[in-house]
Amino acid sequence: DAEITQSPRHKITETGRQVTLACHQTWNHNNMFWYRQDLGHGLRLIHYSYGVQDTNKGEVSDGYSVSRSNTEDLPLTLESAASSQTSVYFCASSSTGIETQYFGPGTRLLVL
Amino acid sequence: QQQVKQSPQSLIVQKGGISIINCAYENTAFDYFPWYQQFPGKGPALLIAIRPDVSEKKEGRFTISFNKSAKQFSLHIMDSQPGDSATYFCAAIPYNQGGKLIFGQGTELSVKP
Repeated sequence: DAEITQSPRHKITETGRQVTLACHQTWNHNNMFWYRQDLGHGLRLIHYSYGVQDTNKGEVSDGYSVSRSNTEDLPLTLESAASSQTSVYFCASSSTGIETQYFGPGTRLLVL
Repeated sequence: QQQVKQSPQSLIVQKGGISIINCAYENTAFDYFPWYQQFPGKGPALLIAIRPDVSEKKEGRFTISFNKSAKQFSLHIMDSQPGDSATYFCAAIPYNQGGKLIFGQGTELSVKP
């Protein structure tokens, strides 16, 4: 069955380190999204991509970057982790022209 | 900044009761309003959605009511069950912006047996 996976599921890192969170989908969806979830804020869009080599900034993109070299993957990189980036991160994907997004299981990141 | 405001933040309902979650938006250029359900440790999943040209949509025990003039929409869960205990998010997609979801703050629903 097609699916969307995220790895690692849990990560502890130190302030200043570079961290990369992986997202992989097997639906062949063109659209991929990264969100962070924090209590009281719901889910906020970090970066998104509409296809290979396309990336766009979302509402809370500072300190994060993404790259899209193929259809299946959209890794999220924290260039220099900060304690404010402690959060749960969700990746999602959707087909072009279809509003429904399918979410991965999330990565819980703790920055000490 | 386009916003979607959701209330209440938490809700406790007895089994068999009606759960009501409300959302309001500030921009008229939204053309799709989904509700997502999230269980602990899982990612959100689409529950039900509505477009602004419809005032109500029902799927089983779940109903969305939409008031375009008031810029408000709500989720009603009839005959609430303990298995409905989850966090619910309303969301909106701006017109012609490629599916970008703008989420409300979330409502943690607990249905007591």
